[in-house]
Amino acid sequence: GAVVSQHPSRVICKSGTSVKIECRSLDFQATTMFWYRQFPKQSLMLMATSNEGSKATYEQGVEKDKFLINHASLTLSTLTVTSAHPEDSSFYICSVPLMDIWTDTQYFGPGTRLTVL
Amino acid sequence: GENVEQHPSTLSVQEGDSAVIKCTYSDSASNYFPWYKQELGKGPQLIIDIRSNVGEKKDQRIAVTLNKTAKHFSLHITETQPEDSAVYFCAASDRAGGFKTIFGAGTRLFVKA
Repeated sequence: GAVVSQHPSRVICKSGTSVKIECRSLDFQATTMFWYRQFPKQSLMLMATSNEGSKATYEQGVEKDKFLINHASLTLSTLTVTSAHPEDSSFYICSVPLMDIWTDTQYFGPGTRLTVL
Repeated sequence: GENVEQHPSTLSVQEGDSAVIKCTYSDSASNYFPWYKQELGKGPQLIIDIRSNVGEKKDQRIAVTLNKTAKHFSLHITETQPEDSAVYFCAASDRAGGFKTIFGAGTRLFVKA
């Protein structure tokens, strides 16, 4: 399977600051990456689809100006939470889809725990 | 909109027993059904998947069944071990629909030694 890394694994920040989370596909190029948010004891909610070289596609209800996504290369997508507030505290997970004639599987990163004080 | 329902939300079994988790999906266009295992503080890991042209798939102690007519699919874990304790998510996606995946709410499995 694919190897996906995220950095940082944990971050604590003050309210009003911005936080950048990186998602890297380590062993293959990805034109698409997905960003999810997961609140405690809840399922994964898709926030946006990150597209290399073009604008991200956001799910309904997700503020694109608050959650900035940049997919500058085929191996890196970043999610920036701008002007973070305590309600943005969550577990953010990226995934990389691997699609070929045999498979169409998503591989997830280890997640980033964001705590906004 | 598309929806995936998962039951039960919590499941407790004795080590060595079997565990079954069931899911129902609403989008008839769904054609790919992965199952993920998520341990505390980690990202989900794919454990098994099944495509709509297959009714059953097995990998050692894990098996998945799919009933397309009823839009049901299930995960079966046999001879459970304490390390199987985790949260399990079912999901459904339609590759032709842009690979958007809808996840179930998750099942917290406890395997008691």
